[in-house]
Amino acid sequence: AQSVTQLGSHVSVSEGALVLLRCNYSSSVPPYLFWYVQYPNQGLQLLLKYTSAATLVKGINGFEAEFKKSETSFHLTKPSAHMSDAAEYFCAVSDGGATNKLIFGTGTLLAVQP
Amino acid sequence: EAQVTQNPRYLITVTGKKLTVTCSQNMNHEYMSWYRQDPGLGLRQIYYSMNVEVTDKGDVPEGYKVSRKEKRNFPLILESPSPNQTSLYFCASSFMGAQDTGELFFGEGSRLTVL
Repeated sequence: AQSVTQLGSHVSVSEGALVLLRCNYSSSVPPYLFWYVQYPNQGLQLLLKYTSAATLVKGINGFEAEFKKSETSFHLTKPSAHMSDAAEYFCAVSDGGATNKLIFGTGTLLAVQP
Repeated sequence: EAQVTQNPRYLITVTGKKLTVTCSQNMNHEYMSWYRQDPGLGLRQIYYSMNVEVTDKGDVPEGYKVSRKEKRNFPLILESPSPNQTSLYFCASSFMGAQDTGELFFGEGSRLTVL
């Protein structure tokens, strides 16, 4: 069975500081991995996805994530936080076409301090 | 514009009063799914559908029903709502197939309060 674990339900950074949100996954098949962002009172928006083409994935708004099979990790980073990055971030794993089911982590709420 | 549309966006109801949350997508997606989002629990799948007339239970199906009579629509039905179904609900859709990754496209969410 697939699962994801997001370490840290709340993360606070200063504006301009590095953002690091952690995600570890468990999967018995090669996974597809996703990061979604949820701004207040909005739906989930795809930030980036790993589909086995490249281990370093670049997404929107300056975010990127690196797939590390040996560590079963897919951490999300951004070199310099902006106030507008304050949101909740969800990591998710899928087995793709087999069942199309996306399994989500419990989310990390990012606060950006001025 | 490609989108998933849910209605209503906000609803307050009372225990036992049947309600339906509608979901419609205009991307010709085969796969549709309902999730509920609760603090500290992330998103949990309620039901999903791989195509018209094909539906199946997700992880938390109790108290919910769905139907898929048309490809674009996937309504969520609460026959007798209870306070523990107070939650934020999301409808999502995607393509299906061996070449697809499972990437979901989400609606804006429906916040339901059951008194």
